[in-house]
Formats: sequence, C-alpha cells, structure tokens
Amino acid sequence: EIVMTQSPATLSVSPGERATLSCRASQGISNNLAWYQQKPGQAPRLLIYGASTRATGIPARFSGSGSGTEFTLTISSLQSEDFAVYYCQQCHAWPTWTFGQGTKVEIK
Amino acid sequence: EVQLVESGGGLVKTGGSLRLSCAASGFTFSTYAMNWVRQAPGKGLAWVSYISSDSGTTHYADSVKGRFTISRDNVKNSLYLQMSGLRVEDTALYFCVRASRDGYDQWGQGTLVTVSA
Repeated sequence: EIVMTQSPATLSVSPGERATLSCRASQGISNNLAWYQQKPGQAPRLLIYGASTRATGIPARFSGSGSGTEFTLTISSLQSEDFAVYYCQQCHAWPTWTFGQGTKVEIK
Repeated sequence: EVQLVESGGGLVKTGGSLRLSCAASGFTFSTYAMNWVRQAPGKGLAWVSYISSDSGTTHYADSVKGRFTISRDNVKNSLYLQMSGLRVEDTALYFCVRASRDGYDQWGQGTLVTVSA
C-alpha cells in the first residue's frame, strides 16, 4: 500500500498570507495526486488533480506542484473561506487510492 | 446538478448489520465507477470499497474485506454497501463518492454509522 504523509499537521496562517502544504508518497506516483478541501460539517471537495490541474470552479489562488514522491499545495493569499482541512490522495495504485492524514489550516 | 444522497445509517450493536444506500442523480450513473469512503469521528478519510461502472470489478479495504459487500443498480441509479459483522471501529460517516479518471470528483453528504459495544 502506498502511504501518504502530510506536513505539517496544523498550519497557522493570517488572512492574506501564503500557505504551503506538503505531501509525500512512500513510493513514486508520477503526477497521480489529488488535493481535497474539507470544511467542518461538509463533504470533501476536489481542488486539484493530476498534481497541478485545478478542478472546475476552484479559484486560481490554489495551485499544486510536484511529481514522483514530493508534492505541494499552495494557497497564495488565504481568504476566510480557505480555513479548512486539506487532504492529499494518491490516484496511482488503482483502485486503492489512499489519503494522507490531513493538514488543518487555521487562523493565526 | 450532480447529487449523491446517502441513507441507511444508524445505531447498531457490535456484530450487527446495516445496508447503506446512495441515490445518484444529475449524471449518467451507469458510466461511472463508484466508491465508499468513510471518516471516523475527528479523523481523516479512508477508502472503503470500489465498484466498476458495470459491477464487474469490486475491491475492498483489508479492514472490511469479507464483512462488507458493495453493489449497484444502474437502472435505479443507486449504490449500496451491505455491512455485516460490524465492529466499534466501523463507526464513521460513510460517503458515497463518484470516481473520475483523476480523483473523487463528487461526494455525497454522508450517512453516520455508529456501532456500540
């Protein structure tokens, strides 16, 4: 099983600042990585797929990068609605697409 | 508008059974693979089970293999998860999830399963 490890567990950021979230795969997954956002009481929402492609309707302040085993989600200027938990997911080992444990982005 | 609406959750004792359902609308259900993903209270996301668009292929997480059965009815646009031999650690919010080539692009709101000792 491919293990996904996210860091940090919690990220404290002020509104308007940049947030950088990391995700590491236990083995190479090419660019087969997705990012999700989950707000309290809501279902997760697909943000990024293919490591760097924004899903429909996702604002340009969200960007993804990386390939192989190291990946990054960047939120260029945090808005109030961006405070949430973010999960990465490998979409390489079909169909057992495992998730990272999540990074909580909280208001500093 | 794509909608996935889960139902069937509830409180059950250890060893009991439940059948979850997911009603899909707003897209051609029969052309998409589907999954169940769960989230224990205060925890992260965990994939549970997969079914191909034609029901020809199914897969399960090791933690539920032999106890859970995924199925679908493409005429009724519905996805199911039959759960038996339930354990306390199966307590979670269960999401019905549509799989695209690149990720899980549509999620239901979830149905809560609580297993008591």
